[in-house]
Amino acid sequence: ETGVTQTPRHLVMGMTNKKSLKCEQHLGHNAMYWYKQSAKKPLELMFVYSLEERVENNSVPSRFSPECPNSSHLFLHLHTLQPEDSALYLCASSRQGTDTQYFGPGTRLTVL
Amino acid sequence: AQSVTQLDSHVSVSEGTPVLLRCNYSSSYSPSLFWYVQHPNKGLQLLLKYTSAATLVKGINGFEAEFKKSETSFHLTKPSAHMSDAAEYFCVVSDTGGGSQGNLIFGKGTKLSVKP
Repeated sequence: ETGVTQTPRHLVMGMTNKKSLKCEQHLGHNAMYWYKQSAKKPLELMFVYSLEERVENNSVPSRFSPECPNSSHLFLHLHTLQPEDSALYLCASSRQGTDTQYFGPGTRLTVL
Repeated sequence: AQSVTQLDSHVSVSEGTPVLLRCNYSSSYSPSLFWYVQHPNKGLQLLLKYTSAATLVKGINGFEAEFKKSETSFHLTKPSAHMSDAAEYFCVVSDTGGGSQGNLIFGKGTKLSVKP
């Protein structure tokens, strides 16, 4: 859609599972972001990476673990999640030094 | 601190009639302001962005927004609604001024319904 892809689009996992969400941007950007979108809540920023270094972690529980191996890829590793972690997880990217972000389609996560 | 308030959680219009989605912001300096749209089960798509170059900003799909400093508003409008406009719309302010990299502060969203 916008040069930012996310896989998988849907994920159902049990509380004891370990899974990973993947984000890839094809826009030549060098800053990437993870957001959580829950029903009836504003979008919540989780992590920010700029030039492959984490620059912000908004008090996210350690059961969420981000990884940014290069400027085009961003992962979110999940383990021992809770049912309240069920949400749409959105990835975004931007050019470093600018504030316009471009979003992927999201991964709809359901934790049973 | 920057913040944004979307005054209506839900707006319903008839096809072919004007759309008005209201947004007020709070910012310590000249803000960057955005409108994003999210169709069901999709990610967020950038509609338009204000960066102080012009107070009336034209976006995609016939939408535009006017920056009014005196009213601290950035309302989104469209002259004639189309069925495909049904979606959720988010007003967003950047927490730094001047377009430099910063975090985006999202409003709670306005769900737009379009009746045939």
